[in-house]
Amino acid sequence: KAGVTQTPRYLIKTRGQQVTLSCSPISGHRSVSWYQQTPGQGLQFLFEYFSETQRNKGNFPGRFSGRQFSNSRSEMNVSTLELGDSALYLCASSLGGTLTEAFFGQGTRLTVV
Amino acid sequence: TQLLEQSPQFLSIQEGENLTVYCNSSSVFSSLQWYRQEPGEGPVLLVTVVTGGEVKKLKRLTFQFGDARKDSSLHITAAQPGDTGLYLCAGLNTGTASKLTFGTGTRLQVTL
Repeated sequence: KAGVTQTPRYLIKTRGQQVTLSCSPISGHRSVSWYQQTPGQGLQFLFEYFSETQRNKGNFPGRFSGRQFSNSRSEMNVSTLELGDSALYLCASSLGGTLTEAFFGQGTRLTVV
Repeated sequence: TQLLEQSPQFLSIQEGENLTVYCNSSSVFSSLQWYRQEPGEGPVLLVTVVTGGEVKKLKRLTFQFGDARKDSSLHITAAQPGDTGLYLCAGLNTGTASKLTFGTGTRLQVTL
């Protein structure tokens, strides 16, 4: 079966701009989670969507938002970009139950200049 | 805030050597997972341990969950170059099952 697809793979934006990243989960998976990975902070949980509803949220400012569509595809948006938002953004999909395996996409590498 | 500290941070060994990576927390987790991430890729799940004291073996990899469910270890026997990568532990709690709290990571390099 097809894996988790994230688009675009690479992105360069200017400070103050906004950006939208996309994630298509594995077919049949209803949960999509987003993570930010940086050399300094490691992998940090942003939020999780399940059946179009945000189910869990990490400790990120309101500039970071997301949504999930009826086909389980998810988007995350970052407004008013800061240099510190430069990171690898990873999406993970799962069936959504307890202890189900999370499958990660290859990520979107965002560089803010 | 729950934190997971991994040690060592970096490890460079030769093929055939054994190694152990540690994952420690002051908090209790319902379960713990180990992932391996290669450059340009997302993390890939290696194992999930659920019961305190549990030991799981996957070929040359042995995973252990501490009795108090606050720590875990990954032992690799006879390391191979294909084991090179970033090893991450991640804790989960019942009720927020899809929210993974990742460890700080251990970067392993195995050379010939």
